[in-house]
Amino acid sequence: AQTVTQSQPEMSVQEAETVTLSCTYDTSESDYYLFWYKQPPSRQMILVIRQEAYKQQNATENRFSVNFQKAAKSFSLKISDSQLGDAAMYFCAYTLLYGGSQGNLIFGKGTKLSVKP
Amino acid sequence: DTAVSQTPKYLVTQMGNDKSIKCEQNLGHDTMYWYKQDSKKFLKIMFSYNNKELIINETVPNRFSPKSPDKAHLNLHINSLELGDSAVYFCASSRVRTGGTEAFFGQGTRLTVV
Repeated sequence: AQTVTQSQPEMSVQEAETVTLSCTYDTSESDYYLFWYKQPPSRQMILVIRQEAYKQQNATENRFSVNFQKAAKSFSLKISDSQLGDAAMYFCAYTLLYGGSQGNLIFGKGTKLSVKP
Repeated sequence: DTAVSQTPKYLVTQMGNDKSIKCEQNLGHDTMYWYKQDSKKFLKIMFSYNNKELIINETVPNRFSPKSPDKAHLNLHINSLELGDSAVYFCASSRVRTGGTEAFFGQGTRLTVV
């Protein structure tokens, strides 16, 4: 069975600094997607970034980038120039690209990010 | 123009009652889901459904049942509510069968069973 592990329950960063959130996963599959979702206090789940496993290039979205290491099954999120609005729970998630369970997200337990002014 | 909307946002009910949470998506997605987020913020899939196939997480009690009147709706029915059912329930949708993309989530329904 696939699992997703986020080893940092809480992280803190100074405004304008850079922070990296860790995520590892376990799977025997070769075709899958990885995601980072953000959940602010409003409860809304917001997609931050997506990575297709078959792509070697790391995904970037403005201040957000990932370090995807397929062999190591690692998928960390780097937030540059942190802003107060980045404070939220961040969830790493995995889904298969094919098969009956494709699209079903498996989540890590989340990392609560605080941003200090 | 909310992409995935679920109602109600908050639901407080007594043990033993039967309740429903409604979900609608206007994205034209082929697959819809229900997720449960417990008090520790852990998110777990309950169901995924397209117009041909329902996949049920084996840990979900059979008191929970999804009902889909059409492709744009997937409602969640819960019978004989228990205290442990208190959680936030999220509906989501994605375009899986025509090329997997990310899931879009509703705003969640906080269910409190008293």
